[in-house]
Amino acid sequence: QKEVEQNSGPLSVPEGAIASLNCTYSDRGSQSFFWYRQYSGKSPELIMFIYSNGDKEDGRFTAQLNKASQYVSLLIRDSQPSDSATYLCAVNRLSGNQFYFGTGTSLTVIP
Amino acid sequence: DTAVSQTPKYLVTQMGNDKSIKCEQNLGHDTMYWYKQDSKKFLKIMFSYNNKELIINETVPNRFSPKSPDKAHLNLHINSLELGDSAVYFCASSQRAKNIQYFGAGTRLSVL
Repeated sequence: QKEVEQNSGPLSVPEGAIASLNCTYSDRGSQSFFWYRQYSGKSPELIMFIYSNGDKEDGRFTAQLNKASQYVSLLIRDSQPSDSATYLCAVNRLSGNQFYFGTGTSLTVIP
Repeated sequence: DTAVSQTPKYLVTQMGNDKSIKCEQNLGHDTMYWYKQDSKKFLKIMFSYNNKELIINETVPNRFSPKSPDKAHLNLHINSLELGDSAVYFCASSQRAKNIQYFGAGTRLSVL
């Protein structure tokens, strides 16, 4: 079983719609959760991080964490073509400072 | 100023050669990492150093040897390069308490 699992997609949404990206993780000891965006040929850049159960909003982005169900999601409201990228979910266990990335979900926003 | 910088950006070499990739961060972070991203875009951690001490050493061939001369630098030396080493290598840094990682631009290694 992989530490972090994501649907690889591709996920296509029309411009202005809500894009929903999901991620599950296997280790209940995980404590920090991150969403990174990676454009083709570029490095990952941090979009959101969340530590506590519930929702965290930042502009058009909302991260949702449910530790009981071991999933974390990212909602992108009013999707723009510039949001087209691969979104990587990352999970951190403080014990050993282990970081695990999912394989990423490819998102295409259609104008 | 670039926060996490890696050199070189591209590296093309023959099988069997030895090469190094350098990484420097000016963020004052205490932890640095090396990741390998393969053709399927899977980002896998290789090494992590905290205050120059190795804290993560995933299952990586011993042909790969990291070196951290100080907190701001983490270099990666690769001996006897193989075709399967072709990938993009990313350096990253974080402040351990917050664990938010910042990535360098990557080094695209092609082994011919």
